[in-house]
Order: sequence, then C-alpha cells, then structure tokens
Amino acid sequence: KAGVTQTPRYLIKTRGQQVTLSCSPISGHRSVSWYQQTPGQGLQFLFEYFSETQRNKGNFPGRFSGRQFSNSRSEMNVSTLELGDSALYLCASSLGQVVSTDTQYFGPGTRLTVL
Amino acid sequence: AQKVTQAQTEISVVEKEDVTLDCVYETRDTTYYLFWYKQPPSGELVFLIRRNSFDEQNEISGRYSWNFQKSTSSFNFTITASQVVDSAVYFCALSELANDYKLSFGAGTTVTVRA
Repeated sequence: KAGVTQTPRYLIKTRGQQVTLSCSPISGHRSVSWYQQTPGQGLQFLFEYFSETQRNKGNFPGRFSGRQFSNSRSEMNVSTLELGDSALYLCASSLGQVVSTDTQYFGPGTRLTVL
Repeated sequence: AQKVTQAQTEISVVEKEDVTLDCVYETRDTTYYLFWYKQPPSGELVFLIRRNSFDEQNEISGRYSWNFQKSTSSFNFTITASQVVDSAVYFCALSELANDYKLSFGAGTTVTVRA
C-alpha cells in the first residue's frame, strides 16, 4: 500500500500571503490529522477530519483552517502568513472512527518557510 | 502541563552500544495508548510501536525493545547494538480519552550513533 503523501514538499512564501497544503491518506483510511512541528514548540496538533467533518481542533488561530474531501484527501490552509508559521507541517492518516484510537501513520511533511 | 516528558534531549553513542530512551507520561484515564515514533533526517515520522494501558508486557522487535511500567508511568525504549541508521529523533506520544485521543508528543530525544 502506498503511504501518506503530502504536496508540495517544500514551499517558500512571504508574510501576508496564504498557502494551501495537500495530504492524501493511505487507501482505506478515513481520518486525517494535521500537526505543526517547530523547534520551539515541538509537535502540536492542528486538527483532525473524519468523513469530511472536523472532529477536533488544536489551539491555533482562525488563520489555520482545513477541509476533507469525499475521497478522504485533505487540505489545510493558512491565511495571512506570519514568520512564526514557518514549520514542518505533518499529515497523518488512520483508519478512523468518530473517536479514533487507531494508529496514525505520517507523511513526509511539507516544509513551509515564510520570509 | 506537559503530558509526556522525554528528559533526555540528546544521546550520543558509538556503534554497537545500547541506548535507552526514557519516556514518562501523565494521565488520569485508565484507558490510554502509548506510542513511539522515529523521525529520521528526511522528516517523516515512522511508527514504531503502540501499546494500550492494559497490556504491560514488554515487547521486543529485533534490536528494539520497550519496557512499559504503569507503576512509574514510564514507557522506555531500548535500542540494542545501535547502528548508524538508528540516528534520528525519537518521539514518545500519549493518546488518552481526556484529550479526545489526540496525540500528545514529548519533546523528542535526538540519538546520534557514531561509527
């Protein structure tokens, strides 16, 4: 089975711009979670989607949003980029249920640099 | 409050040495899950193991072994006869009902294995 794929792998943007990141889960997985990884804050949960519905959201401002499509692919969007948004954004997929205890499998991440 | 504590920031060993990574967690739930992930320089988080709170048996997988002790809230990870390819950042994570089973990661331990 193919693993979790994320596009693009690298991205450079300037402050004030917006960005959209994409994640394709493992085939058959219905739950997708997003994480932000920075040297200072470590790995932080952004949000989780299951069956096109946001099930959980982390403590991030409203500039961070996401969605999930009927084929379980997910996108996350960050508007009005700030320097502090520079990070590795990781997507994880799991088989998923409404309250999922399934193991999450991660993609390679998208490295976002905000100048 | 930090849910998962990995006290060791960095560990450096010479090839063939054993290395043990400590993980201490905090939860009030009786049902919870613990994980270890490996993050090589490529950035992808690689799933290593999942353990539920009712299974305290230690586990061995090749050169990897895990010691789960509920009495001390610890889930330690040992790499036996380390190899250069083991060089990576290792994360311990907790999934608990009180947090809606979102993954809470420790800060990670960077392991460097020198030839």
